[in-house]
Amino acid sequence: DAKTTQPPSMDCAEGRAANLPCNHSTISGNEYVYWYRQIHSQGPQYIIHGLKNNETNEMASLIITEDRKSSTLILPHATLRDTAVYYCIVRGLGTGGFKTIFGAGTRLFVKA
Amino acid sequence: NAGVTQTPKFRVLKTGQSMTLLCAQDMNHEYMYWYRQDPGMGLRLIHYSVGEGTTAKGEVPDGYNVSRLKKQNFLLGLESAAPSQTSVYFCASSYKDGGAFFGQGTRLTVV
Repeated sequence: DAKTTQPPSMDCAEGRAANLPCNHSTISGNEYVYWYRQIHSQGPQYIIHGLKNNETNEMASLIITEDRKSSTLILPHATLRDTAVYYCIVRGLGTGGFKTIFGAGTRLFVKA
Repeated sequence: NAGVTQTPKFRVLKTGQSMTLLCAQDMNHEYMYWYRQDPGMGLRLIHYSVGEGTTAKGEVPDGYNVSRLKKQNFLLGLESAAPSQTSVYFCASSYKDGGAFFGQGTRLTVV
């Protein structure tokens, strides 16, 4: 699986858009980009995923660059409840089968 | 629709004891996973399964065994618990290319 690089932490004002970047320069053609978040000590929560087109759902938007080497998760109107660790992961088929690797993530602080 | 359910939620073991963590999902997912998360760290994959009757090793498989006898269940076993296995354990399930859904975790302390 391709490795990802995310900033360790970011701040965002409540009500503003939160833009979380992720670099995955070694991504291969059959690998998807997934975003999850983990609020405090709860189980991680799936947010969104995509292959090469931009995606949007009720929680967020995912923008993937044309060369697929980076992506941005956008929370359009961040609230205090969006304070969490956000994980960007790239998932595909690896030697011996399928696996999902989580990195350190970005700790997003939404401030009033 | 319960999603992914883990039992137990909390457990304290003595060194050398054994136990089994149960994960059940009701979404008919083919894939299931076990992760551990230590304080201040990300999740690390222990074992995973791509279908009933199949299992494979992840990043940190030593000291753990798993079984997937039924599609909806994925069991994680500790044969001889060690203090280094004190952690929060998360189970997850997914379709092949879909997002993974996680349980709420099992907090295990080995003394």
